[in-house]
Amino acid sequence: DTEVTQTPKHLVMGMTNKKSLKCEQHMGHRAMYWYKQKAKKPPELMFVYSYEKLSINESVPSRFSPECPNSSLLNLHLHALQPEDSALYLCASSPAFGREDGYTFGSGTRLTVV
Amino acid sequence: QKEVEQNSGPLSVPEGAIASLNCTYSDRGSQSFFWYRQYSGKSPELIMFIYSNGDKEDGRFTAQLNKASQYVSLLIRDSQPSDSATYLCAVRQTNAGKSTFGDGTTLTVKP
Repeated sequence: DTEVTQTPKHLVMGMTNKKSLKCEQHMGHRAMYWYKQKAKKPPELMFVYSYEKLSINESVPSRFSPECPNSSLLNLHLHALQPEDSALYLCASSPAFGREDGYTFGSGTRLTVV
Repeated sequence: QKEVEQNSGPLSVPEGAIASLNCTYSDRGSQSFFWYRQYSGKSPELIMFIYSNGDKEDGRFTAQLNKASQYVSLLIRDSQPSDSATYLCAVRQTNAGKSTFGDGTTLTVKP
């Protein structure tokens, strides 16, 4: 299995809602990442988990809350988002944090905040 | 100065031509360099990585790295319409596990 699976593919939520994005990989990768990508912009790093521990938080607002329950699973909990948070949210994994190999990206969740 | 800069694009080449995509980076200690392809509405896909000076070839793709000039490029030979996409250069800095992405160059291959 060489895939990173993200669910849901599309999500529309109100500003008072609570929702979660899910990411799963079964490649044995020990580093997992959340990226945010706006239209015609490069992916922007949000969080890095290495061996299930949060290694990097790129000063992301607390309305985004990551969780790594085990080595295969990564969640992003969303609460009280703003319309400007609408974007493509990408999960990625790599064999280990800092390894040379590059990332495997999931297909993303397209989030719209109304 | 941006950490990773790419040709502003868009770049348009005829089918069968060589497409040349360029990327410069500011951190002289950068160690690893990646090229991702992203089709419109899709997620990025890793197509090549390189970490030693020189050329690395994979099928129609060649990555070239010159650390002295802080320059990495991607050549696509025999370009096909299916190569039309945005190409993202990513650089991993010294002792940093994360990569920094350039803004991308959009390539259009015209039949």
